[in-house]
Amino acid sequence: GNSVTQMEGPVTLSEEAFLTINCTYTATGYPSLFWYVQYPGEGLQLLLKATKADDKGSNKGFEATYRKETTSFHLEKGSVQVSDSAVYFCALRNRISNFGNEKLTFGTGTRLTIIP
Amino acid sequence: DTAVSQTPKYLVTQMGNDKSIKCEQNLGHDTMYWYKQDSKKFLKIMFSYNNKELIINETVPNRFSPKSPDKAHLNLHINSLELGDSAVYFCASSQGRQGLSPLHFGNGTRLTVT
Repeated sequence: GNSVTQMEGPVTLSEEAFLTINCTYTATGYPSLFWYVQYPGEGLQLLLKATKADDKGSNKGFEATYRKETTSFHLEKGSVQVSDSAVYFCALRNRISNFGNEKLTFGTGTRLTIIP
Repeated sequence: DTAVSQTPKYLVTQMGNDKSIKCEQNLGHDTMYWYKQDSKKFLKIMFSYNNKELIINETVPNRFSPKSPDKAHLNLHINSLELGDSAVYFCASSQGRQGLSPLHFGNGTRLTVT
């Protein structure tokens, strides 16, 4: 089956620090990979995605590269801000066409707190 | 605004009651979902509908019954509420069934069962 493993939080960093949140996956077929972010009191929002091996997703200074050889999709940002404080979810979704494989499989989420 | 909107935002009720949560999307998507997020932020899919047809039905108690009157709406009815049902329930939508398009989430309904 499909699964996503994220580094456990919480993660606390100072402003302008370098961020890495690890994510590895197991999946059949050819999954698409996503990072979602959940700000306090809100629903999840797509942060970035990659649909095939070696693709790099990027948005708002965050990046993640789809590494098939290591089955990883680690999230990175060079200089975090207080406004980046949120819960980050890694997720995968298979592109197999039959029913029952359309669901998004989420990791357990990593809470990130940035202190000024 | 284009969005996924769900109501109510907060729902506090007693054990044994029946309650409904409504969800509407005006993004023109053909697939809608219900997710449950527990107190540890773990997200688990419950149901998915494509063009009003149920396509994903995870292991969820029969007390939970989704209803999709049209492809823009997916409501969740819960009978005989239990303490363990307390969670945040998120509605989401996407376009297509092929796993390529991202999900758009509502802001959640925090259900508290006392």
